[in-house]
Amino acid sequence: NAGVTQTPKFQVLKTGQSMTLQCAQDMNHNSMYWYRQDPGMGLRLIYYSASEGTTDKGEVPNGYNVSRLNKREFSLRLESAAPSQTSVYFCASSRQGIAEQFFGPGTRLTVL
Amino acid sequence: AQSVTQPDIHITVSEGASLELRCNYSYGATPYLFWYVQSPGQGLQLLLKYFSGDTLVQGIKGFEAEFKRSQSSFNLRKPSVHWSDAAEYFCAVGAGTSGSRLTFGEGTQLTVNP
Repeated sequence: NAGVTQTPKFQVLKTGQSMTLQCAQDMNHNSMYWYRQDPGMGLRLIYYSASEGTTDKGEVPNGYNVSRLNKREFSLRLESAAPSQTSVYFCASSRQGIAEQFFGPGTRLTVL
Repeated sequence: AQSVTQPDIHITVSEGASLELRCNYSYGATPYLFWYVQSPGQGLQLLLKYFSGDTLVQGIKGFEAEFKRSQSSFNLRKPSVHWSDAAEYFCAVGAGTSGSRLTFGEGTQLTVNP
C-alpha cells in the first residue's frame, strides 16, 4: 500500500516549457487535490477533484490545468512555465466529504 | 471564506520542555480542524483532527489539541518535547459544502535544543 505517489521528485524547467506532474493514490479515495507550498505561505490549493469526472479551481489556479484521468490518478499540467511557478507541489487525496487528507512526498520544481 | 492564522513563525524549545503552538481560525459555522506536521523534505502527516464532540483531542506522537470556540482557537500541545519533534507544523480548517477543501495556516517552524 503505497498511499499517494508523485512523479517526478525534482524537475528543472526553462521559462516557457511545459510539463505534467503525475499523482496516483491506491486508497480508493474519491477526492484528490493539488497544492503548492512556498516559504511563509503555507499550502495553497491549486485545483481539486471532489470525485471522478469533476474538477474545480482552488485558490491559485492561474497557469495550471488538471486532469482526473480515473479514480486513482490526478495530473497537474503547466502549459508555459514561469519563474513564479517555482515551488514545491503536493498532491493529496481523501474520502469524499470532510475528511483528513493524505499527502504525497512532493515535487520540487524550479523554473529558470 | 475561512482563514487560519498561526501567529508564531518560529519557536525554539529545549528538549523535555512543554510546547504549545497557537492556531486561530475564522469561519462562521462549526469548523473542521486539523494539525499536520512536515519533516524536512517530506510530505505532510496528520497529527490530529477535530470534527465534533470532546473539545480536547488526542493525536499521534503524544500531541493533543483543544478546540475553544469562544476564542476561535485550536492550539496544539505536548507536555515534553523530543528532539525528533523538530519540524514544521501546520494548522488547517476544512469547511463548506465542497467537501474536504482545506485552508492552511502559514506554518510554525519548531526547533528543539538539546
